Amino acid sequence: KQEVTQIPAALSVPEGENLVLNCSFTDSAIYNLQWFRQDPGKGLTSLLLIQSSQREQTSGRLNASLDKSSGRSTLYIAASQPGDSATYLCAVKSNYQLIWGAGTKLIIKP
Amino acid sequence: DAGITQSPRHKVTETGTPVTLRCHQTENHRYMYWYRQDPGHGLRLIHYSYGVKDTDKGEVSDGYSVSRSKTEDFLLTLESATSSQTSVYFCASVRGGTDTQYFGPGTRLTVL
Repeated sequence: KQEVTQIPAALSVPEGENLVLNCSFTDSAIYNLQWFRQDPGKGLTSLLLIQSSQREQTSGRLNASLDKSSGRSTLYIAASQPGDSATYLCAVKSNYQLIWGAGTKLIIKP
Repeated sequence: DAGITQSPRHKVTETGTPVTLRCHQTENHRYMYWYRQDPGHGLRLIHYSYGVKDTDKGEVSDGYSVSRSKTEDFLLTLESATSSQTSVYFCASVRGGTDTQYFGPGTRLTVL
């Protein structure tokens, strides 16, 4: 059974720092991996989607990498801003369904 | 952003009562999903639909049923609500041929 883990559960960093969020999964037979952002009281917004054949995807200050063999993905955020404060969730598509991590709550301190 | 709305946004009900949550999308997306989100857990799939009148169970489907009579509407019903069904419920949709999920704003359900 596929399991997805995100550590740490919460992270607080000063504004301007570069940071990395981690996502690990137990079964490397995935179709793709997605990163989402969730703001308090709101729905989720898709940030990046990496197909299983890809190694990374970039969007603006965000870069997501995928290493299937080790069961890991990272989300790199460059030059963090207070507006980046949110919960970040990763999800892997496995057996036609998304399996989700519990998320990392990120706080960027001004 | 895809136009996905959920109603109601908040609901408080009593144990044993039936509850129906509605998801409405204006994007003509083929696939629709119902998730629940609980503290310490990621989202968990309740039911999904791959077309009108085509639905299937997800990971945590016990106690829930769904219906999809039109492309734009996906209903989630709790036949007899229990306190363990207190949660935040999210609806999502996906356009055919892609994997990007678009989410509604969520419904916070409290079962007393």
